[in-house]
Amino acid sequence: DTAVSQTPKYLVTQMGNDKSIKCEQNLGHDTMYWYKQDSKKFLKIMFSYNNKELIINETVPNRFSPKSPDKAHLNLHINSLELGDSAVYFCASSPTGGGEKLFFGSGTQLSVL
Amino acid sequence: AQSVTQLGSHVSVSEGALVLLRCNYSSSVPPYLFWYVQYPNQGLQLLLKYTTGATLVKGINGFEAEFKKSETSFHLTKPSAHMSDAAEYFCAVRGGRHTGNQFYFGTGTSLTVIP
Repeated sequence: DTAVSQTPKYLVTQMGNDKSIKCEQNLGHDTMYWYKQDSKKFLKIMFSYNNKELIINETVPNRFSPKSPDKAHLNLHINSLELGDSAVYFCASSPTGGGEKLFFGSGTQLSVL
Repeated sequence: AQSVTQLGSHVSVSEGALVLLRCNYSSSVPPYLFWYVQYPNQGLQLLLKYTTGATLVKGINGFEAEFKKSETSFHLTKPSAHMSDAAEYFCAVRGGRHTGNQFYFGTGTSLTVIP
C-alpha cells in the first residue's frame, strides 16, 4: 500500500484552465504539505495543514487553494493556470513531532501549454 | 530562523571514490537535520536523520553524516560511490513549533557518478 499517494502523476493543460491534484495519506499523520519543485529542483513549501487547519501559507498566488476535507486528505486546486505554474508538485505528510521525517508522494508533473 | 545551505549544486565523482556532499545549517533551536535523496522522476526518500544523541548518523545505502555543532554542518559521505547513487540530494532542517514544525530544504546537489 502506498503511504502517500497523489493523482494524477502527469497533468498537461492549457493556460487559463482550472485543475486539481489530489493527495491522500494512510499513515495516520497529523500534518500534510504541498511543495512545488521547479525546473532547477528547488523545493518550495506552499502549504501546510495540521489536523485540517492551515498552519503555513507561504507566498503563493491566491489562484492556489488547498482543501483538506479530513486529516488524511489534502487537495490542491489551481485556478486560471499560467505558464509559470509548470512544475512538479509534491504532497507530503509527517507526524507532528520535531524529529519525525517527511513522507513524500511520487509527485505530479504539471505542464501548462 | 532556520535555513540550509548546500555548497555545490553539482558534484561528480568516479565510481568507487569518496562521496562528500556539504550542508551547513542555521537554526535558533537545537536542530533536527535530514538528508533526502531523489531519484529521477520520483519523490524524495529519507537517507538519514539526526535528532539527538550520537553525532555520527548512519543511513541507507552506505551513507552517513556527522552533526558538528561547532561548524553548524551536517555533511553527507559515502566511502565508495556506486553508479546507482546518481541522484539529487537534499539537506533539510526542521524548525520548532513556532514555525509549524516546518521543513526547510537546501537547493539540492546533483550527484553524477562517472564509470
